[in-house]
Amino acid sequence: ETGVTQTPRHLVMGMTNKKSLKCEQHLGHNAMYWYKQSAKKPLELMFVYSLEERVENNSVPSRFSPECPNSSHLFLHLHTLQPEDSALYLCASSQAGAGAGYGYTFGSGTRLTVV
Amino acid sequence: AQTVTQSQPEMSVQEAETVTLSCTYDTSESDYYLFWYKQPPSRQMILVIRQEAYKQQNATENRFSVNFQKAAKSFSLKISDSQLGDAAMYFCAYRSGTSGTYKYIFGTGTRLKVLA
Repeated sequence: ETGVTQTPRHLVMGMTNKKSLKCEQHLGHNAMYWYKQSAKKPLELMFVYSLEERVENNSVPSRFSPECPNSSHLFLHLHTLQPEDSALYLCASSQAGAGAGYGYTFGSGTRLTVV
Repeated sequence: AQTVTQSQPEMSVQEAETVTLSCTYDTSESDYYLFWYKQPPSRQMILVIRQEAYKQQNATENRFSVNFQKAAKSFSLKISDSQLGDAAMYFCAYRSGTSGTYKYIFGTGTRLKVLA
C-alpha cells in the first residue's frame, strides 16, 4: 500500500483508557510528524522524528507519548486524556532535511473523541 | 516568529469560474518555502502547489496558480475553471529554509464552496 496510512480512522475513548494511534508510510521518507487539528485553529505540530530520532517536541503534555520504531512506522500512545484533546490527529511524512521543502504527504487522520 | 494568516474563513465560487484565496505571512527569513494544501471531506491533506521563495516566477499546476509577492509577503492561490471536486478546506503553509528546521506553519484555512 502506498502513501501514508493511519489507523484507526475513528476512536472514542474514556479519560482513563489507554490507546494508540498508528501511522505507516512506504514512501521511503525518513521524517515523520504528528499534528493535531482542532476546529478553527491552525494545525499544531506535536512531534517530529527525523531518521528515527525525535527532533522536536512542541510542549505536548506527557499524556501523549510518541514512538518511532523504524522509519516507516510512527505511533502516538494516549493515556488519561482530557475532553479538550478531542481532535483530528494527522500523521505526515517527508524527506528529512532539505527534502522537506518538497512538502509533506499526509494520512487521512484519526478522529479522536474523549468522553 | 513566523506567522501565516488566511483572512477568508469561507469563499464561494460558481462552477467554471475563477476564485482567488488569500494568504499573507510574516517572516524575517529570506530562504523559505510556501505551500497550498487542500483538505477535502476525506480529511487527507493534499499538496496543491509549492513555491520556493528564491524563485521569482509564480508556480503553476494545471488549473492552480499562485501570485507570490515576496516584498508584500503575500501568497494567493488562484483556481481557474473551478470544479465541484475543488470544494474543500485550503490551507496555506510556510516552511523555513533553514537547515535542521522541520516545522511547517499553517494558516487557519479557507473553506471553498463550489456552486453548480
